[in-house]
Amino acid sequence: DVVMTQSPLSLPVTLGQPASISCRSSQSLVHSDGNTYLNWFQQRPGQSPRRLIYKVSKRDSGVPDRFSGSGSGTDFTLKISSVEAEDVGVYYCMQGTQFPLTFGGGTKVEIK
Amino acid sequence: QVQLVESGGGVVQPGGSLRLSCAASGFTFSSYGMHWVRQAPGKGLEWVAFIRFDGTNKYYADSVKGRFTVSRDNSKNTLYLQMNSLRAEDTAVYYCANKWDFDYWGQGTLVTVSS
Repeated sequence: DVVMTQSPLSLPVTLGQPASISCRSSQSLVHSDGNTYLNWFQQRPGQSPRRLIYKVSKRDSGVPDRFSGSGSGTDFTLKISSVEAEDVGVYYCMQGTQFPLTFGGGTKVEIK
Repeated sequence: QVQLVESGGGVVQPGGSLRLSCAASGFTFSSYGMHWVRQAPGKGLEWVAFIRFDGTNKYYADSVKGRFTVSRDNSKNTLYLQMNSLRAEDTAVYYCANKWDFDYWGQGTLVTVSS
């Protein structure tokens, strides 16, 4: 199985400051079709998860442009350019390249 | 707009069974695969199962293989998860999500396995 490792576990951030979450996979996430199926999800307190980014860097409609995804192969990053209060929650990366699909353990973003 | 509404959760004894449903609307249900994902209380997300758009192929997490069965009724725009031989560790909120890349998620339904 592909193991997804996120860091840090907890990320206290000052409002207006940038934040960065790392996600590493135990195997390359490049699919035989040429795509890399790496998604990022946000789960605000008490809510269902919501997809922010798919295929590494494609931002979903309605997602603020302060969120960006990057990376390749086994190394991926979610960046928030300027954290706002509504960004508080847990962020998960997930690989969709190989069964069983696997999630990272999550990174809790909180305001300092 | 896309809506996914899960139902069927509740309290069940260890060894018991439960069937979850996910009613879909706002997209062409019969054209897309669907996922089940669960989240134990205070824990992270765990992928459970996937079914292709036409139901021909199904995939499961090892933790549920042989006990859970995913199915769908495209005439009713509904996804199902039949859960048998339930264990305490199956206690979780169960979400359905649409399409391969998890475009949208439902609000979840809570399953509690306890005597």
